[in-house]
Amino acid sequence: EAGVTQFPSHSVIEKGQTVTLRCDPISGHDNLYWYRRVMGKEIKFLLHFVKESKQDESGMPNNRFLAERTGGTYSTLKVQPAELEDSGVYFCASSQGWAGASETQYFGPGTRLLVL
Amino acid sequence: GNSVTQMEGPVTLSEEAFLTINCTYTATGYPSLFWYVQYPGEGLQLLLKATKADDKGSNKGFEATYRKETTSFHLEKGSVQVSDSAVYFCALILNDYKLSFGAGTTVTVRA
Repeated sequence: EAGVTQFPSHSVIEKGQTVTLRCDPISGHDNLYWYRRVMGKEIKFLLHFVKESKQDESGMPNNRFLAERTGGTYSTLKVQPAELEDSGVYFCASSQGWAGASETQYFGPGTRLLVL
Repeated sequence: GNSVTQMEGPVTLSEEAFLTINCTYTATGYPSLFWYVQYPGEGLQLLLKATKADDKGSNKGFEATYRKETTSFHLEKGSVQVSDSAVYFCALILNDYKLSFGAGTTVTVRA
């Protein structure tokens, strides 16, 4: 069974440009999460989808970030326009049911974003 | 709010040495606790977890015990190998789906 995949693995863009990150969850997983690790600090929650619906986007830093999950399969995270402070590693995770102690979140390898 | 504090790295060890990574947490309630590991070029993997006080999680020779009295979940391994070189993250969940992570500890094991 394929794990969570993310594309691209790395992205280098200039300030003001747009970048779109993609996440393909494990097949059959209704729950999809985005997290971000900035400047080697702690990994922070961005948002949670249940199928195609945004369940919680309380961690999204501002309106330059837009996440979608059309059809409840893969998800995209667009940053427009990118700023220097957006640099970091963006992780995607998925789980079959609602996560909690009993549901393991399976993570992808992350996308390393560098904004110059 | 909920938070996790783990020892800063990097940590460099020789093979067969004993490894301890300290982790303490702050939470309004009784969280479930996790250790995730990220090997080079790979995604985060769940290493072990504990869901209630005094539980011990274990996997691949690693152990951690949920200590409510000290709000800690320290990770230990008695004899590390080069293949244990990775970034280790302590994390918690409290009543929902949001994992709260520590800053990560980079461990390098030298042959």
